[in-house]
Amino acid sequence: KAGVTQTPRYLIKTRGQQVTLSCSPISGHRSVSWYQQTPGQGLQFLFEYFSETQRNKGNFPGRFSGRQFSNSRSEMNVSTLELGDSALYLCASSHTGSRGYEQYFGPGTRLTVT
Amino acid sequence: ELKVEQNPLFLSMQEGKNYTIYCNYSTTSDRLYWYRQDPGKSLESLFVLLSNGAVKQEGRLMASLDTKARLSTLHITAAVHDLSATYFCAVDGGVSGTYKYIFGTGTRLKVLA
Repeated sequence: KAGVTQTPRYLIKTRGQQVTLSCSPISGHRSVSWYQQTPGQGLQFLFEYFSETQRNKGNFPGRFSGRQFSNSRSEMNVSTLELGDSALYLCASSHTGSRGYEQYFGPGTRLTVT
Repeated sequence: ELKVEQNPLFLSMQEGKNYTIYCNYSTTSDRLYWYRQDPGKSLESLFVLLSNGAVKQEGRLMASLDTKARLSTLHITAAVHDLSATYFCAVDGGVSGTYKYIFGTGTRLKVLA
């Protein structure tokens, strides 16, 4: 069974630009979450999607947005990039709405903002 | 707001020794997870703990959960070099079957040969 895939794996952008990251969950998983990992703030929850609906949202500014498609694939978008947005962005998928299933993480997209 | 504290942040230990990593959280939850992360890699699931008193073991690692104390421990027995990695606990703050993992700060473990 294929794991969670994320594209691109590496990205370099300039301040003020916007970026879109993509995530394909494990087949059959309908919940997709996004996390930001930085050395200073650690792993922080961005949002969770299920059946194209955002169910949970973390404490990030509105520049961070996401969406999920009918095939459960998800994208996250960051507009007006800032230097502090440089991070590893991890996507995770899980079974549908069932209590306690762990999330499976993708390899991440490393974003560098210059 | 759910907060998760993990200690120690760094742990350097000799091969063959035992040690425990602690994970405290601030609000009631009975869904706690342990993950491992190798440098430059993603997160690998280690344990899923879903009830008070849950204990799981895999090789030299054993995890437990005390929901009343809001505490989970990850015990390392007779450490070997291959266990060198960063270990994270995560508490699920989502409600009604949704997902919202709040992670601890991580414990960077280095096992010295």
